[in-house]
Amino acid sequence: GENVEQHPSTLSVQEGDSAVIKCTYSDSASNYFPWYKQELGKRPQLIIDIRSNVGEKKDQRIAVTLNKTAKHFSLHITETQPEDSAVYFCASYGNAGNMLTFGGGTRLMVKP
Amino acid sequence: DTAVSQTPKYLVTQMGNDKSIKCEQNLGHDTMYWYKQDSKKFLKIMFSYNNKELIINETVPNRFSPKSPDKAHLNLHINSLELGDSAVYFCASRRTGTEAFFGQGTRLTVV
Repeated sequence: GENVEQHPSTLSVQEGDSAVIKCTYSDSASNYFPWYKQELGKRPQLIIDIRSNVGEKKDQRIAVTLNKTAKHFSLHITETQPEDSAVYFCASYGNAGNMLTFGGGTRLMVKP
Repeated sequence: DTAVSQTPKYLVTQMGNDKSIKCEQNLGHDTMYWYKQDSKKFLKIMFSYNNKELIINETVPNRFSPKSPDKAHLNLHINSLELGDSAVYFCASRRTGTEAFFGQGTRLTVV
């Protein structure tokens, strides 16, 4: 089955700095890569996603890049704010098995 | 209107008991999932189910079983509960090719 690795597991930045979270996946058939944000005690919620036919996607302060050849994708958050503090998960979805597999999560802390 | 709803939100039970968690989605999605989130926050997929196929993560004990009475529901049954089953369980659903929506989670505590 699919294996998704995510790094770092924790990330602390100063308010206004950028944050980058990286993920790798194993299934070359994977074609959809969402990123989720989970605040304490709440459900994971989608913040951005990218499909395999696109190399980069941006939504205001958040961007995601995908390198299909290397099988890795990254989340970039610019001008971080304290409310960005949360656990972020990358995920990978492949046609085989209909499974949405998550990385181990990154706890992002934005210090004011 | 809640898109994906789970009940109960909290469940405290003794070891050895059998319990169920219910999940319903009103989004018309074709696939539903169950995830287990442990104390380290890792989201582990347990089951994936659409009206054609059930896929089971081979690491899930057979004490866990999904039951789908119809396309909008995927309930989770757990037999002979163990201390290590304590976790937050999330139901999710999606339409092929789109994002997954999560329920609010069920915090299961086995004592």
